Amino acid sequence: AQRVTQPEKLLSVFKGAPVELKCNYSYSGSPELFWYVQYSRQRLQLLLRHISRESIKGFTADLNKGETSFHLKKPFAQEEDSAMYYCALRGGSEKLVFGKGTKLTVNP
Amino acid sequence: DTEVTQTPKHLVMGMTNKKSLKCEQHMGHRAMYWYKQKAKKPPELMFVYSYEKLSINESVPSRFSPECPNSSLLNLHLHALQPEDSALYLCASSRLAGRVYNEQFFGPGTRLTVL
Repeated sequence: AQRVTQPEKLLSVFKGAPVELKCNYSYSGSPELFWYVQYSRQRLQLLLRHISRESIKGFTADLNKGETSFHLKKPFAQEEDSAMYYCALRGGSEKLVFGKGTKLTVNP
Repeated sequence: DTEVTQTPKHLVMGMTNKKSLKCEQHMGHRAMYWYKQKAKKPPELMFVYSYEKLSINESVPSRFSPECPNSSLLNLHLHALQPEDSALYLCASSRLAGRVYNEQFFGPGTRLTVL
């Protein structure tokens, strides 16, 4: 079974502070992990995928197979980072399973 | 064109009505998806079409009937819905090129209210 856990429903930080959004997964095979972001009144969009190991908008995420984690990090949060963040897992099929999401608020 | 479009943006229907949601993409993607998203919840997969054939049905009630008339279009036919079916219905598409470059692109959604 595929499962994604995001333990924090809400996360609030101040502008310029580091931010880490946690994601843990459960899957017996080799998963593909993604972070999606949904800004207010905008469509869901891909932020990062583990396979490309890129940095988007200053965010990075490393897949840790030992800890089955894919935490999202940014060293200096900006107000425009405030949004809903979903961690998602794709196993051996086209099915994408989402975590429950973390609402990030960056305060001025 | 690099977007997934959905029509209508909003839909209000009674429990005896028949309506359809439409999704379109012109990115050459061969996989298309319907998701249901309740307020403050993550999207939940309903259906997946691969090469215009239904490949995944997540045990969705038969009052929801998907259709993929061609590689660019995806419809969701609605009949005899219940008030609890009120939600944001999202369409997405992706390539089917193996495990790389297979991200899903989402449409803006149709907000459905069932009275």
